[in-house]
Amino acid sequence: DAKTTQPPSMDCAEGRAANLPCNHSTISGNEYVYWYRQIHSQGPQYIIHGLKNNETNEMASLIITEDRKSSTLILPHATLRDTAVYYCIVRPQYGNQFYFGTGTSLTVIP
Amino acid sequence: GAGVSQSPSNKVTEKGKDVELRCDPISGHTALYWYRQSLGQGLEFLIYFQGNSAPDKSGLPSDRFSAERTGGSVSTLTIQRTQQEDSAVYLCASSFDRVMNTEAFFGQGTRLTVV
Repeated sequence: DAKTTQPPSMDCAEGRAANLPCNHSTISGNEYVYWYRQIHSQGPQYIIHGLKNNETNEMASLIITEDRKSSTLILPHATLRDTAVYYCIVRPQYGNQFYFGTGTSLTVIP
Repeated sequence: GAGVSQSPSNKVTEKGKDVELRCDPISGHTALYWYRQSLGQGLEFLIYFQGNSAPDKSGLPSDRFSAERTGGSVSTLTIQRTQQEDSAVYLCASSFDRVMNTEAFFGQGTRLTVV
């Protein structure tokens, strides 16, 4: 039970910001939002996670709405190497497995 | 090594044979996860180990599948009497799974082909 809804696919022009939405309207108070990506034929790679505040690291930014029912992952300057399937996951901070849904297939176009 | 290591990277086996897949987690990580991914599909949760707690086996698809984690470190996933539908990439991940250190890191997987 993935508990998240993502668009199946998106395109983004190289060098532009990629904004990937995720709906998690049934998120509980103790659940965090995690983002992973999977490049073809590789294991999933952790990107970022957060509870209610916006987060930023060297890979991406995570914007969570005030009601926490949705979030957006932002890749500020997409490159061809960012082409991958992006998974949005909600999970208690620890003590449970990660449920992966179907994700968003992002294609960065030259 | 610094990352999660899985072996073998590829395994071809005959239908009906047993197979063992190995996962070496990142040193010190208390949580260990097994997933499988069939061709073109998403990740399917199999089993989760956390410290000395009883593992969460709710994702194992049948009693032909089992896993153990010895000494809180290395884990082995065993598939008995393999079937063709067991063909998939089997992924292992590990994490500290404590406050402020909860992200899981994945290995590159074992590609299992049952012929």
